[in-house]
Amino acid sequence: RKEVEQDPGPFNVPEGATVAFNCTYSNSASQSFFWYRQDCRKEPKLLMSVYSSGNEDGRFTAQLNRASQYISLLIRDSKLSDSATYLCVVIRDAGNMLTFGGGTRLMVKP
Amino acid sequence: EPEVTQTPSHQVTQMGQEVILRCVPISNHLYFYWYRQILGQKVEFLVSFYNNEISEKSEIFDDQFSVERPDGSNFTLKIRSTKLEDSAMYFCASGGQGGFGYTFGSGTRLTVV
Repeated sequence: RKEVEQDPGPFNVPEGATVAFNCTYSNSASQSFFWYRQDCRKEPKLLMSVYSSGNEDGRFTAQLNRASQYISLLIRDSKLSDSATYLCVVIRDAGNMLTFGGGTRLMVKP
Repeated sequence: EPEVTQTPSHQVTQMGQEVILRCVPISNHLYFYWYRQILGQKVEFLVSFYNNEISEKSEIFDDQFSVERPDGSNFTLKIRSTKLEDSAMYFCASGGQGGFGYTFGSGTRLTVV
């Protein structure tokens, strides 16, 4: 089983739509969770951390379910500029390596 | 905003040659990493470096690879005797106190021909 699994997509949505991505992780010792965004041939950029209580940053909401080892990202009111690959990332402990999922590609159309 | 700088942005090398990829991490960061991404595939961990030594490495990071922090500011990845399958984007990252808040450099695209 892959350590971090994501649906690769692509998710094709119209502007203004709400879209949700899911991610599962296999290592129950994982302690920290993140969503990164990667544009084509660019470096991953941190979008947001994911907390057990759930957290929101503008149009983006992240949720973590430790019991099910499941992470989600919700994007409301999609913009054309949201088109990118969204990477689910887990880490066991501070200073340890990031383990990336394969990414979910989002394409927002006019 | 502080950034991680990588050079060169693109390097083409012949199979069997040695390459050195260079990174300047954010100045007060303590944790340093190399990751790679083969075209169309996921980002993969290579090695982490803390307190002037390797703290963790993946099975990809075999004897062909080495890292160095030669002068307290640069962080280098050396690939000896490059193979075609080493062609990838190589990302350097650094992290601050506690190791969270990683920042990635813009990457070096390595093409082995």
